[in-house]
Amino acid sequence: SQQGEEDPQALSIQEGENATMNCSYKTSINNLQWYRQNSGRGLVHLILIRSNEREKHSGRLRVTLDTSKKSSSLLITASRAADTASYFCATDSLSGSARQLTFGSGTQLTVLP
Amino acid sequence: GAVVSQHPSWVICKSGTSVKIECRSLDFQATTMFWYRQFPKQSLMLMATSNEGSKATYEQGVEKDKFLINHASLTLSTLTVTSAHPEDSSFYICSARPVGGDQPQHFGDGTRLSIL
Repeated sequence: SQQGEEDPQALSIQEGENATMNCSYKTSINNLQWYRQNSGRGLVHLILIRSNEREKHSGRLRVTLDTSKKSSSLLITASRAADTASYFCATDSLSGSARQLTFGSGTQLTVLP
Repeated sequence: GAVVSQHPSWVICKSGTSVKIECRSLDFQATTMFWYRQFPKQSLMLMATSNEGSKATYEQGVEKDKFLINHASLTLSTLTVTSAHPEDSSFYICSARPVGGDQPQHFGDGTRLSIL
């Protein structure tokens, strides 16, 4: 089942602007991950933030995690047309004896040239 | 980086056909692989967790006799959609998690299954 909700569902911005996507989840987690998916393709891992971390950077990506609010955000700075894709957060947690990922509903980002 | 290969990428077949999808981890061993299903403009829904050398664990509502999973080696898991029908048409994606530590899952490129 889906654990996370993401907002906005869709986001359209101009090239060069920043894009912020938010994710909320319900249960305790080991870590939270952000993935990108181009239309009709598999998922590409972007960044992983552990439950004891609050912020992480990777290139133009900045992820925050607030475990007290059970929320995370992904910021893409200086966006490019090539950043157009769907972005999913996924929580890594124990289900029974197995660790598994549970995906959020996703944000469709469109960056206009 | 870690690569997961999924094959085939596209299948079109008649109703009643069984379809096998392969998922291989190319440069790492994966004791656990995952199979997801994704409908258009929706998120990924976990179908089952594939465990090397043992039975797969299916999510609630997923028919294990319909979606047969075999994980015979540390680098290969297969999903067979038996007697497929049009409602089985979907995008199926596998992933594999490298052994040890807090590592991300690596995803295949998905298989688009269309049942006529």
